[in-house]
Amino acid sequence: DIQMTQSPSFLSASVGDRVTVTCRASQSISTYLNWYQQKPGKAPKLLIYAASSLQSGVPSRFSGSGSGTDFSLTIGSLQPEDFATYYCQQSYTIPRTFGGGTKVEIK
Amino acid sequence: EVQLVESGGGLVKPGGSLRLSCVASGFSFSTYSMNWVRQTPGKGLEWVSSISFSSNYIYYADSVKGRFTISRDNAKNSLFLQMDSLRVEDTALYYCASDGTGDFDYWGQGTLVTVSS
Repeated sequence: DIQMTQSPSFLSASVGDRVTVTCRASQSISTYLNWYQQKPGKAPKLLIYAASSLQSGVPSRFSGSGSGTDFSLTIGSLQPEDFATYYCQQSYTIPRTFGGGTKVEIK
Repeated sequence: EVQLVESGGGLVKPGGSLRLSCVASGFSFSTYSMNWVRQTPGKGLEWVSSISFSSNYIYYADSVKGRFTISRDNAKNSLFLQMDSLRVEDTALYYCASDGTGDFDYWGQGTLVTVSS
């Protein structure tokens, strides 16, 4: 199985900060990498697919980059509604696997 | 508006069975692959099973293979997960999710399965 490792696990930031979360795959997955946002008590929401494509309706302050084994999700200017947990997920092969999550908290 | 509504969760003893359902609306269900994904505080998000739009292709995580069965009824816009021989470690919030191109583009609100004696 492909292991997905996210860092950091926790991130403390302020409104307006530029925030970057990284995800590393245990083998090359080309650009078959997706990002989700999850708020407490809610289901995950797709933000970015295919490493860098913004899902419809997602604000443009979210962006994704990377290929191969190293990927990143960047929030250009953190907004109050962005405090949540973020997960990466590979869609290169079955079984689909997720990273352990990065919780973005208010500083 | 896309909606996925799961049901069927509950408390069951180890070795017992449950059948989860997910009713879809707001999109062309019969043309989408579908998935079950579960979440626990300890293990995070775990993909459980996928089924193609025509049910021709079905996949399972090793952790549930031989115990869980995914199925769908396109006429009723419904997805199912039959869970047999349940174990304590199957305790989780179970989500159904539509399949974009390997990503999970829409999710239900989840149904809680608790396996405990």
